[in-house]
Amino acid sequence: QVQLQQWGAGLLKPSETLSLTCAVYGGSFSGYYWSWIRQPPGKGLEWIGEINHSGSTNYNPSLKSRVTISVDTSKNQFSLKLSSVTAADTAVYYCASGRVFGKNYYYYYMDVWGKGTTVTVSS
Amino acid sequence: SSELTQDPAVSVALGQTVRITCQGDSLRSYYASWYQQKPGQAPVLVIYGKNNRPSGIPDRFSGSSSGNTASLTITGAQAEDEADYYCNSRDSSGNHHAVFGGGTQLTVL
Repeated sequence: QVQLQQWGAGLLKPSETLSLTCAVYGGSFSGYYWSWIRQPPGKGLEWIGEINHSGSTNYNPSLKSRVTISVDTSKNQFSLKLSSVTAADTAVYYCASGRVFGKNYYYYYMDVWGKGTTVTVSS
Repeated sequence: SSELTQDPAVSVALGQTVRITCQGDSLRSYYASWYQQKPGQAPVLVIYGKNNRPSGIPDRFSGSSSGNTASLTITGAQAEDEADYYCNSRDSSGNHHAVFGGGTQLTVL
């Protein structure tokens, strides 16, 4: 069973770059979409983006100009960078493993999640 | 369209059956997945695909889909089922991005 361990800076100043990393343990690195999701305080989940083992990325259009997701297959890790943060980026950030498959009707789900990293943006 | 719509809050009496729904155009092409989130915890996948439960999820949780609406049903709700529930899918217009519903807060009375 895959396990995800995430880490990164928890306190940022406005205009800085958020940087988080998620390590994958106990399973194959290929065949998944490695995803980042965030949740502002008291609000719902927001999908940030994803990357597969070959480096192909998809991003939330509302964040695309500031987001970079990268992968290091030698370490079974993937990372999130979000530039020019503001207070609106304050949230709990989760990494997760996503699966997509199907033919005429598709399956999509995120079956393993990291524990979350609280990121606060404050001057 | 990539939006998924959920009722903000639903309540159910202990031991009764409750259905939580999720509407969106993408659900005509993708099965919804459903996540349970309790305060201070990461979301947990409870239903995916046509009606699949990950290991460890009680069989009182089930899923169904019709047209642009997906449903999560809890048959015989327990106190520990009180949580927020989110549906999730991918945009079906070819943009290759994912989306969550706004979440439904379930109260077990």
